[in-house]
Amino acid sequence: NAGVTQTPKFQVLKTGQSMTLQCAQDMNHEYMSWYRQDPGMGLRLIHYSVGAGITDQGEVPNGYNVSRSTTEDFPLRLLSAAPSQTSVYFCASRLRAPVGNTEAFFGQGTRLTVV
Amino acid sequence: DQQVKQNSPSLSVQEGRISILNCDYTNSMFDYFLWYKKYPAEGPTFLISISSIKDKNEDGRFTVFLNKSAKHLSLHIVPSQPGDSAVYFCAASTSGTASKLTFGTGTRLQVTL
Repeated sequence: NAGVTQTPKFQVLKTGQSMTLQCAQDMNHEYMSWYRQDPGMGLRLIHYSVGAGITDQGEVPNGYNVSRSTTEDFPLRLLSAAPSQTSVYFCASRLRAPVGNTEAFFGQGTRLTVV
Repeated sequence: DQQVKQNSPSLSVQEGRISILNCDYTNSMFDYFLWYKKYPAEGPTFLISISSIKDKNEDGRFTVFLNKSAKHLSLHIVPSQPGDSAVYFCAASTSGTASKLTFGTGTRLQVTL
């Protein structure tokens, strides 16, 4: 039972480079999200999706792009990496419940350093 | 504007004692609250949740209390164990935006022998 899988686990980029962080889930969850974790800041929402073909911005979307072509995958693209994007990135998925709420499941994280 | 606040960055408790982690929120539209536990180099894992129609939810050693009038929730761990040492995040969502979770800044719990 894989759950939420993120790749890569570690990445070093030079300023101005672009890259894609991959996220895949095998639980058939409708909701998927990307968060970044920075010291003293908790987890902040970058982008989220409520289903295939539907995405929206979170709290800190600038410099990032997402798409959701399938239920399983939700890649996060860094368009032109900046040192301020040095962080740990977490992907999460969540089941859409007919009534009430459900918990989110997180991947293991991607530690990104931009030099 | 921090809608979910954890004002204690760290907490140290002796093994066997009670750990109490606190969380305050400002958005009165929040109606579902969760606690996550995070070990270093791992993703957060779900611990326990509570709906706004309840004021208490219990799961083994973990109990979450919700005080809606004070916009405050707390996580009690009894008895605390060394394996509970981790960072704990409080999170909240609204029914209208069920896909989004708003997190607090976390409290690092250290359970000492």
